[in-house]
Amino acid sequence: QSALTQPRSVSGSPGQSVTISCTGTSSDIGGYNYVSWYQQHPGKAPKLMIYAVSKRPSGVPDRFSGSTSGNTASLTISGLQAEDEADYYCCSYAGSYTLVFGGGTKLTVL
Amino acid sequence: QVQLQESGPGLVKPSQTLSLTCTVSGGSISSGSYYWSWIRQPAGKGLEWIGRIYSSGSTNYNPSLKSRVTISVDTSKNQFSLKLSSVTAADTAVYYCARGSVAGMTQFDPWGQGTLVTVSS
Repeated sequence: QSALTQPRSVSGSPGQSVTISCTGTSSDIGGYNYVSWYQQHPGKAPKLMIYAVSKRPSGVPDRFSGSTSGNTASLTISGLQAEDEADYYCCSYAGSYTLVFGGGTKLTVL
Repeated sequence: QVQLQESGPGLVKPSQTLSLTCTVSGGSISSGSYYWSWIRQPAGKGLEWIGRIYSSGSTNYNPSLKSRVTISVDTSKNQFSLKLSSVTAADTAVYYCARGSVAGMTQFDPWGQGTLVTVSS
């Protein structure tokens, strides 16, 4: 069970859109519709942003969207805002009742 | 709303057992719609799922930690606990407890604030 692969960092200017990828295998992302995304600000606990690939919990802005294609999941943030600067983690079901997280991506708002 | 709070020693000696408890308030740990997980994060690194428990007592663990991990639940106290044996410096991390959705599988919400556990002599 290996960690999902995310880019170490991405950046964008306010108002722009950015996409964070999360690559796994057919045994995790590609095999199930159970991908979630978490936002973590420094010193804080992670916050659920997306679950079941593309569903948003109440209170999460619709600027955040999720999708999958094959073994890769993506989180897209449109209309980038300063407060979106944070670390983002993907998480997938990996079969046999186990879960795996991605290594995390640092989003910088320029 | 449901809140989770981790508690336990912040310093553990190498080779000893790390023990943490998560207290759930604002809701029942016995709800069949949820399970209860431990997740950790070494300083400056990513999240690692440790394992989970259902109110029935059924457990699942990260294969890489399975030989050293035990998660238990005390429904009378609305708490669940983590024990990690034979710890080394590599187990130094912030440990989070979180509620997971049975239907959502990887849907963790809410999380505790996290507690730092340092393994050092």
